[in-house]
Amino acid sequence: NAGVTQTPKFQVLKTGQSMTLQCAQDMNHEYMSWYRQDPGMGLRLIHYSVGAGITDQGEVPNGYNVSRSTTEDFPLRLLSAAPSQTSVYFCASSPQPPGTGRDTQYFGPGTRLTVL
Amino acid sequence: QQPVQSPQAVILREGEDAVINCSSSKALYSVHWYRQKHGEAPVFLMILLKGGEQKGHEKISASFNEKKQQSSLYLTASQLSYSGTYFCGTEGAAGNKLTFGGGTRVLVKP
Repeated sequence: NAGVTQTPKFQVLKTGQSMTLQCAQDMNHEYMSWYRQDPGMGLRLIHYSVGAGITDQGEVPNGYNVSRSTTEDFPLRLLSAAPSQTSVYFCASSPQPPGTGRDTQYFGPGTRLTVL
Repeated sequence: QQPVQSPQAVILREGEDAVINCSSSKALYSVHWYRQKHGEAPVFLMILLKGGEQKGHEKISASFNEKKQQSSLYLTASQLSYSGTYFCGTEGAAGNKLTFGGGTRVLVKP
C-alpha cells in the first residue's frame, strides 16, 4: 500500500493562477479531507468527502473547489491563487468519518505552496 | 470552534513528565491526538470517546473529562523521540469534521 499520496510536493504560483493539488489513496477509505497548515498554526479543514460523489465544506472553503468522482482520488482546485493561500496542504483519509471515534486519519506528505 | 491547547510550548529533559491540555467550549463526542515532527505529516496517537476513558500509546497516555470538555495528554518518562508538535482534534456530535487546536510544541533535550 502506498497509503495517501500527494502531488506535487512543492509549487510556486503567481497571483491569479489556478492549479490542482492531487491526492490519492489506495486503502479504499470512504472519508477524505483537505487541510491547510500555516506556519506555527494548527490544521484547518478546507473541504471533506464522505464518499464518491459527496463533498462538503470545512472551516475555510473560500477560494477552493473539490470533487470526488472515485473513491481513490480527491483533488483540490485553487481557482485564482492569492498570497493568503500560501500554506502547506495536507490530504487525509480514513475508513469512516472522524466523528465515529473509531478510525484514525492517515495524512499524506503534504504540498508546500507559495503564491507570489 | 477551535479547541484551546495549553501550554503552547514545553521543554523537557529526557525522563521528565509533561501534561498537555485540550479544552473546548462545546460538548465533545471524541478527541483525537496527533504528533507532528518538523517538516512531516501528522501521525495518529490515539482517539478517546466521551465517557472519561483513558488510553495509552508507548508511555504516552490520555484522558477525557466529559464534564469539563477537556482532554489531557500525559508524556511520561519522556524520550528524545517525543519531540514534536502535539495537536488535539475534537468532534462534537459524532459528525464529519475534526477541529484542531493550535498545537503544543514539545522539545525533549538529552
